[in-house]
Amino acid sequence: QVQLVESGGGLVKPGGSLRLSCAASGFIFRDYFMSWIRQAPGKGLEWVAYIHGDGSSIYYADSVKGRFTVSRDNANDLLYLEMNSLRAEDTAVYYCARRLEYWGQGTLVTVSS
Amino acid sequence: DIQMTQSPSSVSASVGDRVTLTCRASRDISNYLAWFQQKPGKAPKSLIYAASKLQSGIPSRFSGSGSGTDFTLTVSSLQPEDFATYYCHQYNSFPRTFGQGTKVEIK
Repeated sequence: QVQLVESGGGLVKPGGSLRLSCAASGFIFRDYFMSWIRQAPGKGLEWVAYIHGDGSSIYYADSVKGRFTVSRDNANDLLYLEMNSLRAEDTAVYYCARRLEYWGQGTLVTVSS
Repeated sequence: DIQMTQSPSSVSASVGDRVTLTCRASRDISNYLAWFQQKPGKAPKSLIYAASKLQSGIPSRFSGSGSGTDFTLTVSSLQPEDFATYYCHQYNSFPRTFGQGTKVEIK
C-alpha cells in the first residue's frame, strides 16, 4: 500500500535551515508528481511546492520562493524540501503528498528563538 | 493567483442531516477541483477529484458538483465520523490554492 513518511522536522532559529525528507513506498515513485503542503497551528492548508515525476517541472508558492527548494531522488524513492532563511511564519506541520491523493502523517517545523 | 472561498466557515448539523458546502473560485478553473476532509491531529484525506469523482473507498453519501467557478460538496446523510473540517483545492494552475475550510460541527 502507498506509504509516505516525513522526517526532519524540529526546532530551528529564525534565519536557520532545515531539510525535510519524505520516504515513499508502495508505488512507482518516479511515475508521480509530488507536493509539499503545510499547515500552521490552528490554520488551514497552504500548498508549498510541486515537483514532476522526473523533476523537470517545479513550482513554489510565492511565500517560499527563493528560500525553499524541492527535489527528489527517484533511485531511492525520496522527496526533499530544503528550507533556508526560515521565518516564524514558516512554523507548521509539513505534509508530503502523492498527487494529493495520499498524504504522509506530517512533520512539525517550529521556527523560534 | 486563484482565490478559493468556502462558505460557510462553519456549520452545525445533526447526524442524518443533509449538508451542502460551497467553494467559489476567483476565476474559471474548469473542473480542476478537489475536496479534502481533515480531522484534528490527522492528515487531510482526499474525498473528491475532478469536481465530482469519488476517490476509491469514499462512501457514496459524499458527492461533488460544479464547474467553472462554483462548486459544492454534499453529504447526503451525515454520520458521526463526518464531523471534520473540509477544504476545497484548485489544481487548474500554479500556484495551487486551498479554500480556508468549512468546519462541520455537531449540533
